[in-house]
Amino acid sequence: DGGITQSPKYLFRKEGQNVTLSCEQNLNHDAMYWYRQDPGQGLRLIYYSQIVNDFQKGDIAEGYSVSREKKESFPLTVTSAQKNPTAFYLCASSRAGGMNTGELFFGEGSRLTVL
Amino acid sequence: QKEVEQNSGPLSVPEGAIASLNCTYSDRGSQSFFWYRQYSGKSPELIMSIYSNGDKEDGRFTAQLNKASQYVSLLIRDSQPSDSATYLCAVNLDTGGFKTIFGAGTRLFVKA
Repeated sequence: DGGITQSPKYLFRKEGQNVTLSCEQNLNHDAMYWYRQDPGQGLRLIYYSQIVNDFQKGDIAEGYSVSREKKESFPLTVTSAQKNPTAFYLCASSRAGGMNTGELFFGEGSRLTVL
Repeated sequence: QKEVEQNSGPLSVPEGAIASLNCTYSDRGSQSFFWYRQYSGKSPELIMSIYSNGDKEDGRFTAQLNKASQYVSLLIRDSQPSDSATYLCAVNLDTGGFKTIFGAGTRLFVKA
């Protein structure tokens, strides 16, 4: 079955540690995204990638880093520079170009808690 | 600051009724509009997309778009308890663009 796999689903981190969230898709989508969701709030865009080896900052990129070495993979690193990292992180993908670009398919999410 | 506004709710309707969810957006140049459903603790799921003024129907769901009023709505007919979820309105500023802005969502409760 085609879809997006995120891991881990739950992650606990001590302050000062970097963590990497995995996102893999087999939908053959060119575009991939990382969003963050805080309780009672909408999704906020962290980074997006239109194509392999290219990515762009979203609205809240500070304290995060990404790579896009393969079409299928778009890992997100939450660095110690991120001041409030506790959140629900969502990876998504879409076709690129045309109206379908905005039709996002989401993974199950990774819930990060900083202790 | 480009914004998408939704009433946070909760909106409570009896089973079998019509649920009406509303959304306004600030950027008049917005081109693509989406409704996502998110169950508690789960990830969002796309249920409707609409790109031109008027109504678009898919089963029990109807999306309505009025670009002049910068207004998008979602109607759910014959509401079921399984429709109880948070509904997120999302707007893409450019056709083919990669930045989608989400509203905070409206919580819907359908009472059996």
